[in-house]
Amino acid sequence: AQSVTQLGSHVSVSEGALVLLRCNYSSSVPPYLFWYVQYPNQGLQLLLKYTTGATLVKGINGFEAEFKKSETSFHLTKPSAHMSDAAEYFCAVSSNRDDKIIFGKGTRLHILP
Amino acid sequence: KAGVTQTPRYLIKTRGQQVTLSCSPISGHRSVSWYQQTPGQGLQFLFEYFSETQRNKGNFPGRFSGRQFSNSRSEMNVSTLELGDSALYLCASSILEGSDTQYFGPGTRLTVL
Repeated sequence: AQSVTQLGSHVSVSEGALVLLRCNYSSSVPPYLFWYVQYPNQGLQLLLKYTTGATLVKGINGFEAEFKKSETSFHLTKPSAHMSDAAEYFCAVSSNRDDKIIFGKGTRLHILP
Repeated sequence: KAGVTQTPRYLIKTRGQQVTLSCSPISGHRSVSWYQQTPGQGLQFLFEYFSETQRNKGNFPGRFSGRQFSNSRSEMNVSTLELGDSALYLCASSILEGSDTQYFGPGTRLTVL
């Protein structure tokens, strides 16, 4: 069975600092990996996804994530945090094209002025 | 292209009642998935429909049901509402079923009194 673990339900960073949101997954087959963002009172928006190929994936709003098979990780980073990045972030995994997507419990990102 | 729309956005019901939520996917998308989001449990998968057939189902009681119409619009129904059913119900559509990229609607906020 697949699973996703997001380390830290809340993360605070200063504006301009590096953002690092951690995600580890388990999957018995090569995974598809996703990061979604949810702003207050809104649905989820896809930030980026990894299916195959290059392990460093660039997404919207300056975010990127790196698939590390040996570490079963897919951490999300952004070099410089902006106040508008304050939101909840969800990592998700799927293992093949006929399988459902499993979401992590989310990490709420707080940006300190 | 219009995004995923969900109606109604807010709903208040009392215990024992039933409720029907509606989701209109992005034009051309044939898969619709439903999720329940609560502070304690996070995002939990309810079910997925593709071409009017239920393809996947999460671990929810039979009180939760859904269907998909020939135009890909979907409805979910919850009968005999319980207080614990209070949640944000999110609908997501994708072109293909399973692990294809999902696009989320804004959700329906259900409050059960």
